[in-house]
Amino acid sequence: QITLKESGPTLVKPTQTLTLTCTFSGFSLSTSGVGVGWIRQPPGKALEWLALIYWNDDKRYSPSLKSRLTITKDTSKNQVVLTMTNMDPVDTATYYCAHSDYGDYGWFDPWGQGTLVTVSS
Amino acid sequence: QSVLTQPPSVSGAPGQRVTISCTGSSSNIGAGYDVHWYQQLPGTAPKLLIYGNSNRPSGVPDRFSGSKSGTSASLAITGLQAEDEADYYCQSYDSSLSGRRVFGGGTKLTVL
Repeated sequence: QITLKESGPTLVKPTQTLTLTCTFSGFSLSTSGVGVGWIRQPPGKALEWLALIYWNDDKRYSPSLKSRLTITKDTSKNQVVLTMTNMDPVDTATYYCAHSDYGDYGWFDPWGQGTLVTVSS
Repeated sequence: QSVLTQPPSVSGAPGQRVTISCTGSSSNIGAGYDVHWYQQLPGTAPKLLIYGNSNRPSGVPDRFSGSKSGTSASLAITGLQAEDEADYYCQSYDSSLSGRRVFGGGTKLTVL
């Protein structure tokens, strides 16, 4: 059974850097074809894909946020870390991590429970 | 503005059939990339509903079905039930701008 759980601060100040950790079990990020992605959802709004890292350390970023995002993995700890710089109140959202197979054209399944991050001074 | 366009809301009475459209372009759905669908019940994380245009994961009732044609895809729900009231999102791959995964803007399904 695959499970994922997000962790990190619930409140960050504007201009700060957000660091979120996704801790997973039930699969290995060293298995060919496997990836872990990050998706966020502002309150009452739609899902927005942020980034994805593959088993071979290949990385993908949302073009609109690429300059602010970094995704890394620690295979030995079964963790994926997302950092987002220069946080703004518009970045207030629930941040999800999710497992992905089948490369770039694949889907996300399952998802973590999500963690709400509020950006406010 | 989402890359994939969905109607903001749809509604139907119990037992009825509803469809939710997902319209893209030649750089995503129209290019042949698969469409996947998610159901998000209130206050919960999204759950995979349909993958690869028309495939149901284990445990998803056959009341849910997906299809794709041209630059659009559709999710159909038959025999509507109260517990189907949720937000539904489509997702695909877009080959523009270095390639990325894209979501639709979401559709709120109300069971009357």
